[in-house]
Amino acid sequence: QAALTQPASVSGSPGQSTTISCTGTSSDVGGYNYVSWYQQHPGKAPKLMIYDVNNRPSGVPNRFFGSKSGNTASLTISVLQAEDEADYYCSSYTSSNVWVFGGGTKLTVL
Amino acid sequence: QVTLKESGPALVTPTQTLTLTCTFSEFSLSTGGIRMTWIRQPPGKALEWLARVDWNDDKFYSRSLKTRLTISRDTSKNQVVLKMTNMDPVDTGTYYCARMYWWSLDSWGQGVLVTVSS
Repeated sequence: QAALTQPASVSGSPGQSTTISCTGTSSDVGGYNYVSWYQQHPGKAPKLMIYDVNNRPSGVPNRFFGSKSGNTASLTISVLQAEDEADYYCSSYTSSNVWVFGGGTKLTVL
Repeated sequence: QVTLKESGPALVTPTQTLTLTCTFSEFSLSTGGIRMTWIRQPPGKALEWLARVDWNDDKFYSRSLKTRLTISRDTSKNQVVLKMTNMDPVDTGTYYCARMYWWSLDSWGQGVLVTVSS
């Protein structure tokens, strides 16, 4: 199962917004509403930020927003803050009943 | 509070079999919708999904690693075990266990760094 495609890096200034894309196929992202997003700070375990495309777990700020169109899912972070600087990974259920991650995107807050 | 902790050897010799244990608390793997997953991350690289065991003992494996992986559970001990055979230096990385509630990984262990070297 090929990894989902994410941009290697994105950046934004504090207070601005930025969007990270996650492109798959009709066998994963496009076929199921089971896309999730994870934030990982250096040396730390990943943390769930968005599940089932556009749902936020308790405690995740509403500045984080998930969406999907066709085979591409997106994570939008508004009002960027310094602590948002991290690696972000998307993940999706696949038709093979296994999971696949994206290659990861490094967010830099300028 | 849900907690998960991975344990296993920090150093493995090439061709050896790696055995990792995930010990968790404050939930049961017998509860419907609960699945336990292993994920790994080579240094500086992306996450890679490895294997999953469900509340009903269904098991699923990464296609590329299926022949080398075995996942099992002990519900009485609240543990999940992953075995990976024929370890190679490219298998070096941090191995995480994570709880999957229905379709997302909502709780993660701290990870255990495994180095494969002679």
